[in-house]
Amino acid sequence: GENVEQHPSTLSVQEGDSAVIKCTYSDSASNYFPWYKQELGKRPQLIIDIRSNVGEKKDQRIAVTLNKTAKHFSLHITETQPEDSAVYFCAASPIGGADGLTFGKGTHLIIQP
Amino acid sequence: EAGVTQSPTHLIKTRGQQATLRCSPISGHTSVYWYQQALGLGLQFLLWYDEGEERNRGNFPPRFSGRQFPNYSSELNVNALELEDSALYLCASSLNEREQFFGPGTRLTVL
Repeated sequence: GENVEQHPSTLSVQEGDSAVIKCTYSDSASNYFPWYKQELGKRPQLIIDIRSNVGEKKDQRIAVTLNKTAKHFSLHITETQPEDSAVYFCAASPIGGADGLTFGKGTHLIIQP
Repeated sequence: EAGVTQSPTHLIKTRGQQATLRCSPISGHTSVYWYQQALGLGLQFLLWYDEGEERNRGNFPPRFSGRQFPNYSSELNVNALELEDSALYLCASSLNEREQFFGPGTRLTVL
């Protein structure tokens, strides 16, 4: 089955700086890669996703890149703000998640004022 | 539009008992997924229901089971509860294998 590794487990950045979280996956059949943000005590929220037919996708301060050959994908957050502090999870799945998403273990992003 | 809802918010059981957790998907969504979020283990896929049928399950024992009703709501049952079943149980809904949207979860504590 699929295995997703996520790094780092904790990331502390100064407000206004950029943050990058990296994930690798093992199953070449995976072609859907969402990212979720989970604030303390709240539900995971989908913030961006990418499918394997594109290499990059951007939504305001958030971008995701995908390298299918190397089987890795990354989340980039620019101009970080205090409200970006949360745990971020990457996930991978074949099709659109029909078989269930395989998640990384999460990255705790801390934005230092 | 109402989001995914789950009940109860918290559930406390003792070892060996059974737990029943409920999920209502976003209106129009036909697929429901169940995930377990245990401390230190991230989110792990449990079950997927679509159009009333179990379509796939993750690497969990058979005492984790469930069903999906004609209105697409779903129930997760955990039999013979063990201490390590203590976790946040999240359900998510989607339509046509597209994005999954999560509910607030049920916190299950097994004593």
